Amino acid sequence: QVQLQQSGPGLVKPSQTLSLTCAISGDSVSSKRVAWNWIRQSPSRGLEWLGRTYYRSKWNNDYTLSVKSRITINPDTSKNQFSLQLNSVTPEDTAVYYCARNMGGTLDYWGQGTLVTVSS
Amino acid sequence: QSVLTQPPSASGTPGQRVTISCSGSNSNFGSYTVDWYQQLPGTAPKVLICNNNQRPSGVPDRFSGSKSGTSASLTISGLQSEDEADYYCSAWDDSLQGWVFGGGTKLTVL
Repeated sequence: QVQLQQSGPGLVKPSQTLSLTCAISGDSVSSKRVAWNWIRQSPSRGLEWLGRTYYRSKWNNDYTLSVKSRITINPDTSKNQFSLQLNSVTPEDTAVYYCARNMGGTLDYWGQGTLVTVSS
Repeated sequence: QSVLTQPPSASGTPGQRVTISCSGSNSNFGSYTVDWYQQLPGTAPKVLICNNNQRPSGVPDRFSGSKSGTSASLTISGLQSEDEADYYCSAWDDSLQGWVFGGGTKLTVL
């Protein structure tokens, strides 16, 4: 059974960097069959996919255009986890952030969610 | 404004059948399969239907999905009070090169 456990601060100041980690159990971040995603949810924007990292013969990343200049998703093979960094945050980045695995065409396992509030 | 279009609300009484629609485009539904997620208050979305019409292990057979062209639907037969939740459709989008979601449908069991 795959489990994703999220960690990270719930409060970030404007202009600073939002950092979250998703620890994986029951699968490997280096698996060539899956990808590891970050998604956020807010009342104003609904569910919004942010990006993913995945390993095939090398590490790859895909990011949504709206945050592409500010986002980094990195795998950590030594700890079997992956992370999200979102730079220069504003109050509009306030949301519940989820990590999720996709195998094929489905986001089949999700983390528990982390409410991140951007406020001074 | 979500890429996929769902009605904001739906309702039914226990035992009824309810259908939730989801409209997409050629860049998502035209090329890829549709998934449906159920989200209970305060929890993460949980996959209910994958690959248009397949139920993951543990999902009751009261839930079914279908897709035709650029439209999809989720049907709940024999509605139960515990089905009261938010439901989202989702698919990969070729133009955006990412996952897209519907705005969600809040299902109320009267």
